[in-house]
Amino acid sequence: GNSVTQMEGPVTLSEEAFLTINCTYTATGYPSLFWYVQYPGEGLQLLLKATKADDKGSNKGFEATYRKETTSFHLEKGSVQVSDSAVYFCALSGTTGRRALTFGSGTRLQVQP
Amino acid sequence: SAVISQKPSRDICQRGTSLTIQCQVDSQVTMMFWYRQQPGQSLTLIATANQGSEATYESGFVIDKFPISRPNLTFSTLTVSNMSPEDSSIYLCSVVKGDTEAFFGQGTRLTVV
Repeated sequence: GNSVTQMEGPVTLSEEAFLTINCTYTATGYPSLFWYVQYPGEGLQLLLKATKADDKGSNKGFEATYRKETTSFHLEKGSVQVSDSAVYFCALSGTTGRRALTFGSGTRLQVQP
Repeated sequence: SAVISQKPSRDICQRGTSLTIQCQVDSQVTMMFWYRQQPGQSLTLIATANQGSEATYESGFVIDKFPISRPNLTFSTLTVSNMSPEDSSIYLCSVVKGDTEAFFGQGTRLTVV
């Protein structure tokens, strides 16, 4: 079945540091890939997505590229802010008509001033 | 996009009782999904709520414990039955709009004492 593997957290960075959160997946077919963010006390929000190989999703300074050859979708940001502190989830959509999401375990990011 | 309202936002319940969570969407959708997020964990799909037919449950989840209703294309309920402390989690409703994008309710934070 489908699965998503994310790097363990928490990740603690200083403001303006470079961020990478690794995500790899296993799926049959060609899933769509997502990063969701959960800010403290809030619901899940879509951060970015990519629907086919070599697509790059971007939003709020975050980027991730759909790499089919390495089955990866790593999240990056060049300069993090304190306000980026949250839990980040990598996810993939169902293939073969299954549209529910499969989530990774989540990575907590803490950015210190 | 889709706006999802979930009620209640939180509750504290006695073991052995049941709680029904409501999910209202601002537009018609074919499939609605219920997820569970246990403390510090990722999201796990409980079931897919289909209008006009029985819900489809994932491995490890059964209808007697998590009965679901889907009376129309904008509304669904999830009941957590005969609760135990292990059921303490956040329960989330989700829909998919367009090809791939999933939207989530704010969640229901359930504590069983």
